[in-house]
Amino acid sequence: KNEVEQSPQNLTAQEGEFITINCSYSVGISALHWLQQHPGGGIVSLFMLSSGKKKHGRLIATINIQEKHSSLHITASHPRDSAVYICAVSPFGNEKLTFGTGTRLTIIP
Amino acid sequence: KAGVTQTPRYLIKTRGQQVTLSCSPISGHRSVSWYQQTPGQGLQFLFEYFSETQRNKGNFPGRFSGRQFSNSRSEMNVSTLELGDSALYLCASSSRHPTNEKLFFGSGTQLSVL
Repeated sequence: KNEVEQSPQNLTAQEGEFITINCSYSVGISALHWLQQHPGGGIVSLFMLSSGKKKHGRLIATINIQEKHSSLHITASHPRDSAVYICAVSPFGNEKLTFGTGTRLTIIP
Repeated sequence: KAGVTQTPRYLIKTRGQQVTLSCSPISGHRSVSWYQQTPGQGLQFLFEYFSETQRNKGNFPGRFSGRQFSNSRSEMNVSTLELGDSALYLCASSSRHPTNEKLFFGSGTQLSVL
């Protein structure tokens, strides 16, 4: 079983819909990262969380440390949000980022 | 401020050869970490350098090595290339330790081993 599990693997939605991507992990962590990767490979860091909730524009990330779960929400989704979203965790005592397999999001106009 | 620069962007090698990839971090960033991305395994941590010292290494064979220079630029080297080394190699920089800092990624080097 992977240390980091993401769901869903693929998500297709209409423009304007509210999007939720989930990340569950099995180890204690010091931080969790949400990353966005567009076709062509470039990765952008969206959030780094160790507790609570962060918001940037239409993106919101939450983390529940006790339940070992994080969610990434996109409000008023837009075709330019189409990308792969990757969750990564920093386990305690093992400072090596461990990645989920990613969620491929497609927003249809 | 210039972003993270990786060179070359694309590379084609044959089995048995060696390859060196370069990563120039954002000015002022002292940490550089390297990652391998393949369709089958996804993203995997290779190693991390901070102030010219390797702080962490992932579960890769000794054919994968790296170093960091005094100006924080980093190189990674893969010797005796195998077909399975074909991947996108990404580096990321951060001001301090990467796991608890926001990461800034380069565009990657796409390596094809024939």
